[in-house]
Amino acid sequence: ETAVFQTPNYHVTQVGNEVSFNCKQTLGHDTMYWYKQDSKKLLKIMFSYNNKQLIVNETVPRRFSPQSSDKAHLNLRIKSVEPEDSAVYLCASSQDSSGNTLYFGEGSRLIVV
Amino acid sequence: GDSVTQTEGLVTLTEGLPVMLNCTYQSTYSPFLFWYVQHLNEAPKLLLKSFTDNKRPEHQGFHATLHKSSSSFHLQKSSAQLSDSALYYCALRSPNNNNAPRFGAGTKLSVKP
Repeated sequence: ETAVFQTPNYHVTQVGNEVSFNCKQTLGHDTMYWYKQDSKKLLKIMFSYNNKQLIVNETVPRRFSPQSSDKAHLNLRIKSVEPEDSAVYLCASSQDSSGNTLYFGEGSRLIVV
Repeated sequence: GDSVTQTEGLVTLTEGLPVMLNCTYQSTYSPFLFWYVQHLNEAPKLLLKSFTDNKRPEHQGFHATLHKSSSSFHLQKSSAQLSDSALYYCALRSPNNNNAPRFGAGTKLSVKP
């Protein structure tokens, strides 16, 4: 039963373009995350928000920027994409910022050509 | 920061044989450990998590024991099933990382008839 919804599922774009991924959770959780899953299946934390407040900001290029309008929504914008940005971007939520059980969306696959 | 190391790459087993996927960690705190499973074209989902009271978590025939002395949380199952074929991630959360779960590199388990 999906409760973390991501759009789009798949996006192909050219180097230098801007892309945005949207995520919504219907679990009533306080904390949301963006993870990047690369071609080797490495799963790395990018950002974490708790009640619209940024609490984790890993070392990611500045062209990545998260946006949260409320605790149920967390979007990811990438300005001027690069080939190495090709990956699956996974959104997740947890009940609170203690980091217990993550509930993942099905991912947004980005292909940069 | 804290880190997690898993059995690398691909583990291939014959159906009915026991499963053991290794996970060790480094942390200056007493972290919580998790195993997540990702089946093909699906989102990762929680399989097991460690307890604070040293109980051994079990789910779908899988179990794992947190050994603080050896900093390990190996995943085990007595008899592999074809449906166990998937990508398995060990993850850790601790205050060192703002409680945002960090994942190991993942171990792909392939169970053959």
